[in-house]
Amino acid sequence: DVKVTQSSRYLVKRTGEKVFLECVQDMDHENMFWYRQDPGLGLRLIYFSYDVKMKEKGDIPEGYSVSREKKERFSLILESASTNQTSMYLCASSLASLDYNEQFFGPGTRLTVL
Amino acid sequence: AQSVTQPDIHITVSEGASLELRCNYSYGATPYLFWYVQSPGQGLQLLLKYFSGDTLVQGIKGFEAEFKRSQSSFNLRKPSVHWSDAAEYFCAVGGYGGSQGNLIFGKGTKLSVKP
Repeated sequence: DVKVTQSSRYLVKRTGEKVFLECVQDMDHENMFWYRQDPGLGLRLIYFSYDVKMKEKGDIPEGYSVSREKKERFSLILESASTNQTSMYLCASSLASLDYNEQFFGPGTRLTVL
Repeated sequence: AQSVTQPDIHITVSEGASLELRCNYSYGATPYLFWYVQSPGQGLQLLLKYFSGDTLVQGIKGFEAEFKRSQSSFNLRKPSVHWSDAAEYFCAVGGYGGSQGNLIFGKGTKLSVKP
């Protein structure tokens, strides 16, 4: 089974702190994604990566950056956390395929910024 | 532009009743379609997917969905709902963006189950 793990289930940070959210997948997937999920807004794509050291902006990249130094690991960075970044963050991965792009999700990190 | 609409934000059904969750998509070609379920505080789990072939697809937990090209719909159904089905359900469309595999998600439908 594909397993996607996220470093924390719950995280509480203060405004202005630098925050790192880590995601690891164990199935050698090329593609990895970071979403945020807010009530009534569904899932919104922050960044994605289709290869090591490659990254692409999603729909809401402002205030975030990412890092992918190894194929299995994709990090989301909040350079200076703000209260409006309080949210559920979901990581996902998928194979690089023209025919098959099912995404596998981690359990999520609920981040609260005070 | 591609989009997914789930018209129902919240649905309540009685345990044992049938269920249909609606999903409409906008996409120029034949899409790849997915239904995911999210239990409270959890990540998303794939229920079923449609790529091609038979337009009625079976998934896990007794769910099924039917792809109707003429209506641009991919509605999720279950003949008899169990209390454990209470969750949020997301429809998603893919098939664009090449091998990068981006999906577009609907905003979700929250399902409550009455005893």
